[in-house]
Amino acid sequence: KAGVTQTPRYLIKTRGQQVTLSCSPISGHRSVSWYQQTPGQGLQFLFEYFSETQRNKGNFPGRFSGRQFSNSRSEMNVSTLELGDSALYLCASSSAVSTNEKLFFGSGTQLSVL
Amino acid sequence: AQRVTQPEKLLSVFKGAPVELKCNYSYSGSPELFWYVQYSRQRLQLLLRHISRESIKGFTADLNKGETSFHLKKPFAQEEDSAMYYCALSYAGNNRKLIWGLGTSLAVNP
Repeated sequence: KAGVTQTPRYLIKTRGQQVTLSCSPISGHRSVSWYQQTPGQGLQFLFEYFSETQRNKGNFPGRFSGRQFSNSRSEMNVSTLELGDSALYLCASSSAVSTNEKLFFGSGTQLSVL
Repeated sequence: AQRVTQPEKLLSVFKGAPVELKCNYSYSGSPELFWYVQYSRQRLQLLLRHISRESIKGFTADLNKGETSFHLKKPFAQEEDSAMYYCALSYAGNNRKLIWGLGTSLAVNP
C-alpha cells in the first residue's frame, strides 16, 4: 500500500497570503488528522476528519480550516498567514476502527511564512 | 488541562546500556498512551501503545496510573535506536485528539 502522501513538500509564502495543503491517506483509511509541529510547541492537534465530517478540533484560530472529500483526501487551508504559522504540517490517517487506532503519518509540508 | 511531559530533551547512552525515556501525564481518568518514534529522515511512526501490552524492537512501556507515568524502557540499547521519541495521550471522548510531549532525542553511542 502507498503511504500517506502530502503535497507540496515545501512552501514559502508571505504574510497575509493564504495556503492550501493536501493529504492523501492510505487507501481504505477514512480518518485524516492534521498536526502542526514547531520546535517550541511540539506537535499540536489541528483537526480530524472522518467521512467528510470534522469529528474533532484543536485550539487553533478560525484561520485554520480543513475539509475532506468523498475519496478521503483532505485539504487544510490557512488564511491570512502570520509569521507564527511557519511550521511543519503533518497529516495522519487511520482506519478509525477503534479509539486507539494506529496513526500513519505523512512526511509533512514545511511552510515558511516571510 | 491534560498534558504530557517528557522531562529530557536529549538522552545519550552507550550501546548495550539500559535506556529509559520518561513520560508523565496529567489526566485523572483512564488514558490511552502511545509512544511514537521518528528515525532520521523517516516518518513519525507508532512504536507501541499501552493497551497492546506488547514489546516492539525490545522496548516496553508500562502504564503506572499511581505515578501517572508511561516510561519507555529497553534493557540493552542499540545504535539503531537513535531517534526522536514522542509520548502521546488520548482519552475517552477525545478520540484522535492526541496530546503530545515535546519529545526526547535518544542518542546511542558506539
